[in-house]
Amino acid sequence: DAKTTQPPSMDCAEGRAANLPCNHSTISGNEYVYWYRQIHSQGPQYIIHGLKNNETNEMASLIITEDRKSSTLILPHATLRDTAVYYCIVMKSGSWGKFQFGAGTQVVVTP
Amino acid sequence: ETGVTQTPRHLVMGMTNKKSLKCEQHLGHNAMYWYKQSAKKPLELMFVYSLEERVENNSVPSRFSPECPNSSHLFLHLHTLQPEDSALYLCASSQEGATGELFFGEGSRLTVL
Repeated sequence: DAKTTQPPSMDCAEGRAANLPCNHSTISGNEYVYWYRQIHSQGPQYIIHGLKNNETNEMASLIITEDRKSSTLILPHATLRDTAVYYCIVMKSGSWGKFQFGAGTQVVVTP
Repeated sequence: ETGVTQTPRHLVMGMTNKKSLKCEQHLGHNAMYWYKQSAKKPLELMFVYSLEERVENNSVPSRFSPECPNSSHLFLHLHTLQPEDSALYLCASSQEGATGELFFGEGSRLTVL
């Protein structure tokens, strides 16, 4: 599976949009981009995933570049409860959920 | 509430003890997983069970012994652990053939003295 690169940390003001980048330049055609987050001492939580089209759900939006080499997770109106480590993972569909978690991005939302 | 319940939430054991971690999922999923998260390290996949058959063992030492008696339950039996095995052990489930996302439990925090 392709590796991903994320900034180690970023801050965001409460109520503003948080844009979390992820590079996955070696992604192949059958690999999806998944995003999870982990609030301190809890299990990771699924946020969103996509293949090549942009996706939106009640939690976030996922923007994937046309060449699929990078993506951005957008939290439209960050709240203090969005403070967490965010993981961007690239994985083939049907890989039995064998996600390879990296270090992720520590997002701190401040009042 | 994710539909995946882990017990106990906290466990302290000596190196000579035998204990078990339990995971139960109420989502009707057909695959279950054990992940390990040590301090300041990424999550590591330990075991994968699909339809109650073990399909992955990521070079985990034999002092960790998984058991999946049915599609809703997963155990991790622990014996003669080392202090470096202290970590957060996370159980997850998924439905193969669907979109593949994992649903995690809250984890069992293990301390080995």
